[in-house]
Amino acid sequence: DVKVTQSSRYLVKRTGEKVFLECVQDMDHENMFWYRQDPGLGLRLIYFSYDVKMKEKGDIPEGYSVSREKKERFSLILESASTNQTSMYLCASSTPGSAYNEQFFGPGTRLTVL
Amino acid sequence: KNEVEQSPQNLTAQEGEFITINCSYSVGISALHWLQQHPGGGIVSLFMLSSGKKKHGRLIATINIQEKHSSLHITASHPRDSAVYICAVGNGNQFYFGTGTSLTVIP
Repeated sequence: DVKVTQSSRYLVKRTGEKVFLECVQDMDHENMFWYRQDPGLGLRLIYFSYDVKMKEKGDIPEGYSVSREKKERFSLILESASTNQTSMYLCASSTPGSAYNEQFFGPGTRLTVL
Repeated sequence: KNEVEQSPQNLTAQEGEFITINCSYSVGISALHWLQQHPGGGIVSLFMLSSGKKKHGRLIATINIQEKHSSLHITASHPRDSAVYICAVGNGNQFYFGTGTSLTVIP
């Protein structure tokens, strides 16, 4: 079974803090994704990565950065957290050509920025 | 403008009812996925479709490429089917997601 894990289920941070969200997958997938999910807006892509040290901006990259130093790990960084970044963050992974292939999701991190 | 529209947004059904959730999309796609999200956040993939129809247990998914429309049907619904159902369309490595349909099945 593919397993995608995220470092925290719930996280509370203060405005201005630097926040790290970690995602690890154990199936040697090339593609990894970070989404945020907000009521009424669905899942929106923040960043994705095709391979180690490769990254591409998604639909809403502002205020975020990512790091992929190892194939199994994809980190999302909030450089200076703001209250409008309060959201559910979901990581996913897949093999290449992911329009056809299933994306496997982590359990999500519910981040609250005070 | 949403590339993927789902209807209805919310749905309440009695146990045993036949349920249909609809998905319309406006972009060219390689494949369409139906996802299920239970309370607590975890998302699992139910189906991937590029044409026709697929069936898995009580769930049936259909797609009409010409009309850019897909439906997810649940036969003999059960309270454990209560979840948010999300339609996602894929084009290359990019996915577009619907906002989800929240289904509640009452015993």
